[in-house]
Amino acid sequence: QVQLVQSGAEVKNPGASVTISCKASGYTFIDYYIHWVRQAPGQGLEWMGIINSRGGGTDYPQKFQGRVIVTRDTSTSTVYMDLSSLTSEDTAMYYCARSRYRTSDYLDYWGQGTLVTVSS
Amino acid sequence: QSVLTQPPSVSGAPGQRVTISCTGSSSNIGTSSDVHWYQQLPGTAPKLLIYGNSNRPSGVPDRFSASKSGTSASLAITGLQAEDEADYYCQSYDNSLGVSYVFGTGTKVSVL
Repeated sequence: QVQLVQSGAEVKNPGASVTISCKASGYTFIDYYIHWVRQAPGQGLEWMGIINSRGGGTDYPQKFQGRVIVTRDTSTSTVYMDLSSLTSEDTAMYYCARSRYRTSDYLDYWGQGTLVTVSS
Repeated sequence: QSVLTQPPSVSGAPGQRVTISCTGSSSNIGTSSDVHWYQQLPGTAPKLLIYGNSNRPSGVPDRFSASKSGTSASLAITGLQAEDEADYYCQSYDNSLGVSYVFGTGTKVSVL
């Protein structure tokens, strides 16, 4: 069965960086794209970017360009999301999810989420 | 901020029908981009509920249906059940600024 398993919760100081991992299993890793979506406490879903698991190409919305880097390791079927220059506004649950295509697609499987808390 | 607008909340008694609207624009829903819907139960990750405007993944009850018209879409839940109490989000693709997936503002469904 398809599974996306994310790394555990993180607590970071303002200005620091955080790396979250998302390990895929149950399907051919390189045939799908992986997205990152976050949800601040009590708020809605916000798309943060996408990576081509096969070639490694990425796309990010303007809001996160320069602050988010998504990479992948095909040998372990794992995707990583680095978010830098953290502020309290980055406190949120972060989800990875997969899609079959790069554009105009849906996210059919989601990870369980990783809570990132930014606090001094 | 979300570019797809949903009502903050809807409610209904068990067995009733409720609908959730999702309003976009000519750069997202108004294009050939499909609309998809997700259900998020309290404390859990979102789950795909409807894909491609009106298709249900395997295992989703036929009480859930959806449609798209012009720059809007809607999700209907018929025969409302207590287990349907959750947040619901629409999602589409916006072609105005490169690759851009967009979500709705979210709707809380309460079962009275």
